[in-house]
Amino acid sequence: GAGVSQSPSNKVTEKGKDVELRCDPISGHTALYWYRQSLGQGLEFLIYFQGNSAPDKSGLPSDRFSAERTGGSVSTLTIQRTQQEDSAVYLCASSLTSGRVYEQYFGPGTRLTVT
Amino acid sequence: AQTVTQSQPEMSVQEAETVTLSCTYDTSESDYYLFWYKQPPSRQMILVIRQEAYKQQNATENRFSVNFQKAAKSFSLKISDSQLGDAAMYFCGKGGSEKLVFGKGTKLTVNP
Repeated sequence: GAGVSQSPSNKVTEKGKDVELRCDPISGHTALYWYRQSLGQGLEFLIYFQGNSAPDKSGLPSDRFSAERTGGSVSTLTIQRTQQEDSAVYLCASSLTSGRVYEQYFGPGTRLTVT
Repeated sequence: AQTVTQSQPEMSVQEAETVTLSCTYDTSESDYYLFWYKQPPSRQMILVIRQEAYKQQNATENRFSVNFQKAAKSFSLKISDSQLGDAAMYFCGKGGSEKLVFGKGTKLTVNP
């Protein structure tokens, strides 16, 4: 596709369940970011993948959060034992890098609601 | 660690007027990139304007322009002839050799 895609667009889950959020970056983009955005708030950085380097996980809020990026392309953000405070929009972005960090292209986000 | 600061949580402007959103950043790099993104209620993040630090000329995109002061590490966004469709959250960001970092955002309201 031409842009970054995310699925599902909306997810409602019960407290305590695990969820997986998917991100398909733009083809050829080596950098991939996950952010969390609560209602009316800014972007909270979660994790950053850059090529084959070890991911920067410094933004993950707890060990219930994890992410993978398979084959340098698709990424999955997993939240285990979801809590109500996990309710937010989860945004994915990808970027072309050649030793430098260029602008990001964002997906439409996944709105997660934990009941 | 890199930081990007947007000191104005909220701003408002009258339709057709001009507004300036502030952004400052901290970096030890000499070569980097600065960005302004817009996030309307649809929540889709849209790149508004991009500035390369090695360029002295301020970037301009139609009604949007920046005032880039490299020595002061300041990167403000000026919106001229504001339109109702400009109402959104605006995020300033910096990229370079490390991951792109965003400020906390400024919510812009445009009054008719």
